Amino acid sequence: DAGITQSPRHKVTETGTPVTLRCHQTENHRYMYWYRQDPGHGLRLIHYSYGVKDTDKGEVSDGYSVSRSKTEDFLLTLESATSSQTSVYFCAISSLDRVTEAFFGQGTRLTVV
Amino acid sequence: AQSVTQLDSQVPVFEEAPVELRCNYSSSVSVYLFWYVQYPNQGLQLLLKYLSGSTLVESINGFEAEFNKSQTSFHLRKPSVHISDTAEYFCAVTGGSQGNLIFGKGTKLSVKP
Repeated sequence: DAGITQSPRHKVTETGTPVTLRCHQTENHRYMYWYRQDPGHGLRLIHYSYGVKDTDKGEVSDGYSVSRSKTEDFLLTLESATSSQTSVYFCAISSLDRVTEAFFGQGTRLTVV
Repeated sequence: AQSVTQLDSQVPVFEEAPVELRCNYSSSVSVYLFWYVQYPNQGLQLLLKYLSGSTLVESINGFEAEFNKSQTSFHLRKPSVHISDTAEYFCAVTGGSQGNLIFGKGTKLSVKP
């Protein structure tokens, strides 16, 4: 298994509070992604990173920010959590010369109450 | 923009029966295609991929998929399913502007005894 660790695995938080999810990799892959998974929507890209301090928005980036200060860590922050952000969040990594494949973490189940 | 359509959201089958999970993509350019599997409460695992070469690709656990360029399809098949194949299956294609994968909405395969 690719070395990807997401933390926490589960979190319940209140509306309006900030939340940070962490993705840690030991593969030294250049590209890291944050997806959210919702029933009937599959996986949708939130943000991605193509190197240290190099990030960009994905399909559903509103209300989210990211940071990557080290190759191995990619943080996703919900600036002010809303109930619509209740979801399962997945981190993925790829070496991506062009695209080969992406490896996924185990996911973080976030509930905003 | 690229898109992926998985034609069936749920597929119930009996054990040892054959199954086909359908996937169509929209693209006029070369693509790479993937099938991922997600077991309950787990992350996504790569099942098989088509990058180039033979249009028929196989996984180690008996699944196969055939790339059909003229029909823009990449259907997943297995001649005889097991209870342990119960999972959600996602078709994905390269083509996101960020190099990310574009996912279908998933097909839940339920194998019954």
